[in-house]
Amino acid sequence: EAQVTQNPRYLITVTGKKLTVTCSQNMNHEYMSWYRQDPGLGLRQIYYSMNVEVTDKGDVPEGYKVSRKEKRNFPLILESPSPNQTSLYFCASSRIGGLNTEAFFGQGTRLTVV
Amino acid sequence: GENVEQHPSTLSVQEGDSAVIKCTYSDSASNYFPWYKQELGKRPQLIIDIRSNVGEKKDQRIAVTLNKTAKHFSLHITETQPEDSAVYFCAAPHPNFGNEKLTFGTGTRLTIIP
Repeated sequence: EAQVTQNPRYLITVTGKKLTVTCSQNMNHEYMSWYRQDPGLGLRQIYYSMNVEVTDKGDVPEGYKVSRKEKRNFPLILESPSPNQTSLYFCASSRIGGLNTEAFFGQGTRLTVV
Repeated sequence: GENVEQHPSTLSVQEGDSAVIKCTYSDSASNYFPWYKQELGKRPQLIIDIRSNVGEKKDQRIAVTLNKTAKHFSLHITETQPEDSAVYFCAAPHPNFGNEKLTFGTGTRLTIIP
């Protein structure tokens, strides 16, 4: 089954404690991205990757890091989480080029930083 | 980058009536406009999209219209049903990228009143 898998689904952590949210896709998609969803603000892009070892900042990258060592995985790293990073996070993947560039989203990770 | 504005932010419709959600975009070169539906507690999923070579596209009870001159596109849902209750996001591609890099609107929470 084609899917994007994020883990964990829920996470409560304390300010300053490093954490990683994993994302994996099995569709051989080149493009992967991370979004955060906040009430009234929609889906804002944090980072994206066009392919292995190619990553770049989205619209709200401050406080986040990513890596793309393998095509299927795109982890999101918060080196020193702060309360303003409390949010719902989604990973997504899609093809690049062609007629079908549908974005497939993971199940979401609800992060609370206290 | 692309600026996407979406209205209204909330919409309540009597079951059986029609619902319309509107989005405007800023980049006149954009040529692909998807709509995503996010049910409560679920991930966003593509429900319909339109390319700039057509003015309207229909899929059963949902349709999307595009006015390239005015740079706006709309989602129309007819004969609404309770399962149409969800948050809907429009999107447009980011300038200088392909259709994989999307800028999302802020979302519309649609509630169908039984």
